[in-house]
Amino acid sequence: GQQLNQSPQSMFIQEGEDVSMNCTSSSIFNTWLWYKQDPGEGPVLLIALYKAGELTSNGRLTAQFGITRKDSFLNISASIPSDVGIYFCAGQLDKGGSEKLVFGKGTKLTVNP
Amino acid sequence: EAQVTQNPRYLITVTGKKLTVTCSQNMNHEYMSWYRQDPGLGLRQIYYSMNVEVTDKGDVPEGYKVSRKEKRNFPLILESPSPNQTSLYFCASSFRGQVYSYEQYFGPGTRLTVT
Repeated sequence: GQQLNQSPQSMFIQEGEDVSMNCTSSSIFNTWLWYKQDPGEGPVLLIALYKAGELTSNGRLTAQFGITRKDSFLNISASIPSDVGIYFCAGQLDKGGSEKLVFGKGTKLTVNP
Repeated sequence: EAQVTQNPRYLITVTGKKLTVTCSQNMNHEYMSWYRQDPGLGLRQIYYSMNVEVTDKGDVPEGYKVSRKEKRNFPLILESPSPNQTSLYFCASSFRGQVYSYEQYFGPGTRLTVT
């Protein structure tokens, strides 16, 4: 099936540092979504992107939909301990309006106080 | 509060004993889906439903059944659970046919252990 390559797999940072993670694919996507999953909980939607080149912020989070429509990145500025968790990208393929999402395997973020 | 609920949150069962995991959403979403999450494999879609009485297989449907008799509910049925179905299960829902149709909202998860 389709795959999203998400990197890095894990990150260990100090509180206050900025973080960047990305997802790439060989396929073209219509939509990019970024989720965060806390331990023992379901993924929570952080940011949704619908247009190539779109740059969207949600507080300290900023995400961009790549111009080629094959990639997206998520930045977290001035990280805090509650940013700990697993961040997933998800893309909706350019295939006639199907709601099916393809998920990356996640970036596990650890923030040291 | 808009939400997706799942029950039970935790379940330990034995091989072959039929079980049902319930999923309910209060957002009037047409699309609902079940995923399983396993270490190293990420989220994989089991079944999905575009609307009432419309269901279809996802990427890993073997050993599972679903039904969609009402818009708000989408139960996952394991007729004869096996140990390889030990996993963390998530239900998700979204609108269809709208600009934001692809924003799926997830339930809190059901951790299933089959011994």
